[in-house]
Amino acid sequence: ELKVEQNPLFLSMQEGKNYTIYCNYSTTSDRLYWYRQDPGKSLESLFVLLSNGAVKQEGRLMASLDTKARLSTLHITAAVHDLSATYFCAATTSGTYKYIFGTGTRLKVLA
Amino acid sequence: ETGVTQSPTHLIKTRGQQVTLRCSSQSGHNTVSWYQQALGQGPQFIFQYYREEENGRGNFPPRFSGLQFPNYSSELNVNALELDDSALYLCASSGRVGGARFDGTQYFGPGTRLTVL
Repeated sequence: ELKVEQNPLFLSMQEGKNYTIYCNYSTTSDRLYWYRQDPGKSLESLFVLLSNGAVKQEGRLMASLDTKARLSTLHITAAVHDLSATYFCAATTSGTYKYIFGTGTRLKVLA
Repeated sequence: ETGVTQSPTHLIKTRGQQVTLRCSSQSGHNTVSWYQQALGQGPQFIFQYYREEENGRGNFPPRFSGLQFPNYSSELNVNALELDDSALYLCASSGRVGGARFDGTQYFGPGTRLTVL
């Protein structure tokens, strides 16, 4: 059974600093997704990673995938307050499009 | 292009009652997935519908049931409501649109907040 874990669960960081969120999954998965959720809101798609070594970047966020290590990372560069949100990764069981979500990382960027 | 919409936004029910939640998929999408998100948790997969057929189910009891209609909109029905059913229910649609490559990305609606008293 596919399981997805994220760490840290909570992250409080200063503006301008860099940090990385980690997403580990337990069995083979052919796709890895990152979403952002603001309080009381729905999920916004950030990235989809489809192959080993895939790297995607948008603004201050960069996501990567290592399928051999079963690990995806979301790197935050020079954090700003607007990045404060909860970030989820989700993996899919091979051959399906059923998302298994991680526990989420609640990010708070302090001015 | 219209995004995913859900109704109602909020709902309050009592234990034992039944509820129906509705979802309209994004234009061109033929797949709808439903998730339950308890407070402070990640979304949990309930089930998925593809072209009006159930296409996978998570670890939810049979009192959670669904439908997909020919226009690909969908309903989630929950019978015999329990206190633990209180959560945000999210609908997501996906599908290949035109000649674009399909990467499986699901687009989420705003959710229905269900409170069971």
